[in-house]
Amino acid sequence: QSALTQPASVSGSPGQSITISCIRTSRNIGGSNYVSWYQQHPGEAPKLIIYEVNNRPSGVSNRFSGSKSGNTASLTISGLQAEDEADYYCSSYSSGTTLVVFGGGTKLTVL
Amino acid sequence: QITLKESNPTLVKPTQTLTLTCTFSGFSLTTSGVGVAWIRQPPGEALEWLAVIYWNDDKRYSPSLKSRLTITKDTSKNQVVLTLTNVDPVDTATYFCAHTDSRWYGAHDYWGQGTLVTVSS
Repeated sequence: QSALTQPASVSGSPGQSITISCIRTSRNIGGSNYVSWYQQHPGEAPKLIIYEVNNRPSGVSNRFSGSKSGNTASLTISGLQAEDEADYYCSSYSSGTTLVVFGGGTKLTVL
Repeated sequence: QITLKESNPTLVKPTQTLTLTCTFSGFSLTTSGVGVAWIRQPPGEALEWLAVIYWNDDKRYSPSLKSRLTITKDTSKNQVVLTLTNVDPVDTATYFCAHTDSRWYGAHDYWGQGTLVTVSS
């Protein structure tokens, strides 16, 4: 069982906004600003879309944004597009152990 | 341009040792901060972080697999090798290697395409 809990699925219509939560169940995620988010299309490798809670790598659309409050990190996708349909994973890094853990993943369906 | 590529897909028998090689280009594992990690994904399941090795030979392992994993690097060949001992069918997964940097605090910005490992007798 992952230490990071994500909803199994979310859905939205084109143009809408959706939010995917990532809840740290074993330790207060609020103590870490090292949350990343990945997008994975079927048959492809994951792609980094958010690092350090709310930073986007170069080339990632500004429709993707991240935030954190207490034990919960969140990924928001605004202006949903068909190409956003994918699996999304959060991950957290512990500066104490320098270990990484992934969430269970969320399947986003664009209706 | 950073690229990573895992060794070819493989079939291994239960109890055997799995050896995977990640060959990379566009960066050096002698550069301060740079690391290469391994992550796996069983069919239809979530990502699981396995291990990382950094430029200074610092190595970290997933606690649940630590006793079975070894990660090493060959900087002259631009390769990172992961071994997993005593494999079981539950180790069947696509194995990815990925570039990271200690300044990115656990974020993996470049990934290989992945290689499917099947454990079966």
